[in-house]
Amino acid sequence: TQLLEQSPQFLSIQEGENLTVYCNSSSVFSSLQWYRQEPGEGPVLLVTVVTGGEVKKLKRLTFQFGDARKDSSLHITAAQTGDTGLYLCAGARGSQGNLIFGKGTKLSVKP
Amino acid sequence: NAGVTQTPKFRILKIGQSMTLQCTQDMNHNYMYWYRQDPGMGLKLIYYSVGAGITDKGEVPNGYNVSRSTTEDFPLRLELAAPSQTSVYFCASSYSYGQDSGLDEQFFGPGTRLTVL
Repeated sequence: TQLLEQSPQFLSIQEGENLTVYCNSSSVFSSLQWYRQEPGEGPVLLVTVVTGGEVKKLKRLTFQFGDARKDSSLHITAAQTGDTGLYLCAGARGSQGNLIFGKGTKLSVKP
Repeated sequence: NAGVTQTPKFRILKIGQSMTLQCTQDMNHNYMYWYRQDPGMGLKLIYYSVGAGITDKGEVPNGYNVSRSTTEDFPLRLELAAPSQTSVYFCASSYSYGQDSGLDEQFFGPGTRLTVL
């Protein structure tokens, strides 16, 4: 059973389009992180969200944590080819838990 | 700072062979982690360490061993390689105050791609 479900699994779009990817769970998380992983490299942290309903913006990327802290979304405005990569969400369940990773959304942005 | 370094980058093993994956960090982080990433399966935690001399099992520890004799190094040992251990292995580190690991940024190495035939 996957604790964190990410959708879609794959996404291929043209440069300039907008997109949203989702990270859902039936469990409550104390915090949630989003990482981006490029081919042949390790994941790199984009953002951490902590408070239910929280919205964080990182240039063209907007991250939202659900009110109940069970889900999160990542919205990219005007996608660029440099946004191509695997987007992973990872949740923590308080002080005793390690990060639990979703399977990721593989994004391909074509010129 | 080099960050987190891993060696080797690639390795092919025969069934039953053993090997050690090396991981070193130069950021004076107290926490270190080993993950494996299988195609389409995300990252699974193998072992982690909260400081020198302390290690603990993660979600998928069977077939692996670790040690943490120094703050900088966290090697992962495969004793009897099996085809099921074919994967990409990532080492990561973070500085944690121990309150909530979800608040800590994990820094990942570039990975070791291991194939067991």
